[in-house]
Amino acid sequence: QVQLQESGPGLVKPSQTLSLTCTVSGGSISSGGYYWSWIRQHPGKGLEWIGYIYYSGSTYYNPSLKSRVTISVDTSKNQFSLKLSSVTAADTAVYYCARVGATFDYWGQGTLVTVSS
Amino acid sequence: EIVLTQSPGTLSLSPGERATLSCRASQSVSSSYLAWYQQKPGQAPRLLIYGASSRATGIPDRFSGSGSGTDFTLTISRLEPEDFAVYYCQQYGSSRATFGGGTKVEIK
Repeated sequence: QVQLQESGPGLVKPSQTLSLTCTVSGGSISSGGYYWSWIRQHPGKGLEWIGYIYYSGSTYYNPSLKSRVTISVDTSKNQFSLKLSSVTAADTAVYYCARVGATFDYWGQGTLVTVSS
Repeated sequence: EIVLTQSPGTLSLSPGERATLSCRASQSVSSSYLAWYQQKPGQAPRLLIYGASSRATGIPDRFSGSGSGTDFTLTISRLEPEDFAVYYCQQYGSSRATFGGGTKVEIK
């Protein structure tokens, strides 16, 4: 059973960079066949896809966030990471990581990141 | 970018009733890449339906999906108390994913 767990600071100051890591267990990122994704959900709102990465390092980003997003992978640690730069209060959200075939079939529990001074 | 519009925004029904949720795409979506998710408060979304009509592992057969092209439907044949939640459709195409805005199924 694949499990994903997000980790990182719950509070980030405006204009700084949000950094989160997703640790995968029960399956290997480097085995291929899946993308690894970040999704966020603003409080009380719907789901927004941020982007995903393949084990090879190929990335695809939501065009609305592309200029501020970097997703990277560390296959040796079976982790992938999200960096979102120049954050504002509008980036306050629950951030999820997930495994993606053509669907998001396994999700982390999510982590709330608040942007505030 | 393909926009998914879900309707209605809220569906008020009683346990035992049938729920019909709609997802309309701004352009044609491959059925292979249309999915539905259920989300309960404080939880991550859970995959219900993939490929427009295939149930994910462990999903009861009261959940069914149908549709093609730009119009897709999630049907819950008889609502159980645990089915009251928010439902999202999602599509994957051109290496991008988008989600619909969600339909909340609430107890009447």
